[in-house]
Amino acid sequence: DAGVTQSPTHLIKTRGQQVTLRCSPKSGHDTVSWYQQALGQGPQFIFQYYEEEERQRGNFPDRFSGHQFPNYSSELNVNALLLGDSALYLCASSLVPGQETQYFGPGTRLLVL
Amino acid sequence: AQKVTQAQTEISVVEKEDVTLDCVYETRDTTYYLFWYKQPPSGELVFLIRRNSFDEQNEISGRYSWNFQKSTSSFNFTITASQVVDSAVYFCALSEDPRRDDKIIFGKGTRLHILP
Repeated sequence: DAGVTQSPTHLIKTRGQQVTLRCSPKSGHDTVSWYQQALGQGPQFIFQYYEEEERQRGNFPDRFSGHQFPNYSSELNVNALLLGDSALYLCASSLVPGQETQYFGPGTRLLVL
Repeated sequence: AQKVTQAQTEISVVEKEDVTLDCVYETRDTTYYLFWYKQPPSGELVFLIRRNSFDEQNEISGRYSWNFQKSTSSFNFTITASQVVDSAVYFCALSEDPRRDDKIIFGKGTRLHILP
């Protein structure tokens, strides 16, 4: 049973660039949530996708956007990168929104120089 | 406002000792879920337990046990006979009424060092 997978594992970008991170949910899961984890902090909720729509959003600027595909995989896009966007980006999937435990992937480590 | 506080930033114990990680939460909801996740150096968050607000029974899973007390808004985690492989960062987390809000709110984590 495949767990949550994310790509790439590591990424280095420069300020002002744009980045796309990818996530494939656990088999059978249709809900994907994205979290940002700065160094030494707990993860912070960015947004959640269900049925290809953004269902819920945390306190992140519009530079953070996402997409969910018909196969339930998801992308996180960040435009106009800032140094402060350097973090571990975690994807989590669940069976349905709101009722199930979220299972996390290994994350993508983004460094913005 | 919802909040999770893990007052212990870092703990070191010698292998085979018992260790308790503290967690205090704040929420206005009567329906909520509490979680513990483990984050080894690889970075992946590993799910350990989920407890809903209506179930105050303590739970034991092998060397792990959890003590949920609504009266003190605490959800503490104890590792018995700790092992080096238990070394990781442990996060306590809260999810409020899932019909309205599905995001998980994490504490800042407790880094646990098990010394051989």
